Amino acid sequence: EVQLVESGGGLVQPGGSLRLSCAASGFTFSNYWMNWVRQAPGKGLESVAIINQDGSVKYYVDSVKGRFTISRDNAKNSLDLQMNSLRAEDTAIYYCARNPEWGAFDIWGQGAMVTVSS
Amino acid sequence: DVVMTQSPLSLPVTLGQPASISCGSSQSLVYSDGNTYLTWFQQRPGQSPRRLIYKVSNRDSGVPDRFSGSGSGTDFTLKISRVEAEDVGVYYCMQGTLWPYTFGQGTKLEIK
Repeated sequence: EVQLVESGGGLVQPGGSLRLSCAASGFTFSNYWMNWVRQAPGKGLESVAIINQDGSVKYYVDSVKGRFTISRDNAKNSLDLQMNSLRAEDTAIYYCARNPEWGAFDIWGQGAMVTVSS
Repeated sequence: DVVMTQSPLSLPVTLGQPASISCGSSQSLVYSDGNTYLTWFQQRPGQSPRRLIYKVSNRDSGVPDRFSGSGSGTDFTLKISRVEAEDVGVYYCMQGTLWPYTFGQGTKLEIK
C-alpha cells in the first residue's frame, strides 16, 4: 500500500525548534519530488517546501525561508522538515505529500500537529 | 505569487442536484511545456486532502465520474453532476505552474 506517515509534531515554545519526519512506503520514493504542506487551524492549505528526487533542488515559501530546511534520505525512504525559530503563526497541521508532477499531490500523509505557544 | 480565487466560498446544495465551483488565477497557468497544472482537492471533515482532478480535467482513479474539471488559462471549474452525502467537505483548487504553489481559499460544500 502506498503510504506516507508523518511524525515529530508537538508543542514548542516560540523561538524553539522541531523536526518533522515523513516515512514513505509502497512506492519508489527516490523517483518523486516531495512537498510539505501546512494547514493552520480552521484555515486553508499552504505549500511550504519542496525537494526534488535527489535533494539537490529545494524551494521554500517566503514566510519560512531561512528558518525551515527540507531534506530527504532516499536510502531510508524518509522526508524531513527541520523547523527553527518557530513562531505562533507556524501553528498548523503539517502534511507531507507526494508530487508526481508540478503540484499534483496524489498521496498525502495523515498530518502532524505543530503548536507554537508559550 | 499567483493568487487563486475561488467562488463561492460556501455552497449549500440539495442532494441529487448539481454543484459548480469556480477558480480563477491571477495569471495564466499554462506552463512552458504546454500543460496547465491546475489541481482540485477534496478535504472531508477530519481527513487529509484527497486529489480529485489534475491538469485541469484528468480525474483520478476511484473518483466518481460525477466529478469533472474544465477550463483554461486563468479560469477553471469543478462540477459535480449530482451531489451525494459523501461529497460534503471543502474543495480547493491549486496551481502547480509556478512556485510557490498556491491554493484557493477553499469552498465548503454542505447539504441543504
